[in-house]
Amino acid sequence: DAGVIQSPRHEVTEMGQEVTLRCKPISGHDYLFWYRQTMMRGLELLIYFNNNVPIDDSGMPEDRFSAKMPNASFSTLKIQPSEPRDSAVYFCASYPMQAGSYNEQFFGPGTRLTVL
Amino acid sequence: QKEVEQNSGPLSVPEGAIASLNCTYSDRGSQSFFWYRQYSGKSPELIMSIYSNGDKEDGRFTAQLNKASQYVSLLIRDSQPSDSATYLCAVNTNDKIIFGKGTRLHILP
Repeated sequence: DAGVIQSPRHEVTEMGQEVTLRCKPISGHDYLFWYRQTMMRGLELLIYFNNNVPIDDSGMPEDRFSAKMPNASFSTLKIQPSEPRDSAVYFCASYPMQAGSYNEQFFGPGTRLTVL
Repeated sequence: QKEVEQNSGPLSVPEGAIASLNCTYSDRGSQSFFWYRQYSGKSPELIMSIYSNGDKEDGRFTAQLNKASQYVSLLIRDSQPSDSATYLCAVNTNDKIIFGKGTRLHILP
């Protein structure tokens, strides 16, 4: 398996522009997580899905952020409009849900977002 | 109260010594606990997981869990320069996985 795939790997945009980050989880994984990492705040959970359904979006910072998972193999995180304080590395992670076991998250390589 | 807390460091340890990393969590209902290592510019990678009270050993790594004290630790024996990284503690509570800010570990050659 290719692992969790994220695109783009780097994104530089100007304040006010729309940004869309993409994630393809590992095939067969039921859970998908979006995290944001900065030096100041560490690795913050933004939202997670189970079987394509959003379970907890309490970490989404504000209405400018939205996430979707239209099918089991694809998710997007959108920021509209983007602001300089959104600059961070955004990680997607997935794991399978197997009865009676506790599973490791597999992380994608991340998208480094810079908003000028 | 923050959900998962770690000392940010940096923690400096001489090569060959034992590095001890600590983590506390706030939710008594948390079921599983993980230690991830993250090198600069890379994504986190799992090094240890623990679910029951006590110790779990894997090579040079030992994870310790005390649910009564809501405390998780990671010991790295015979520290190597390649162990220099940020170590993230993660806690799974009903499938919601929260991370601490991480502890930067620096192994001194």
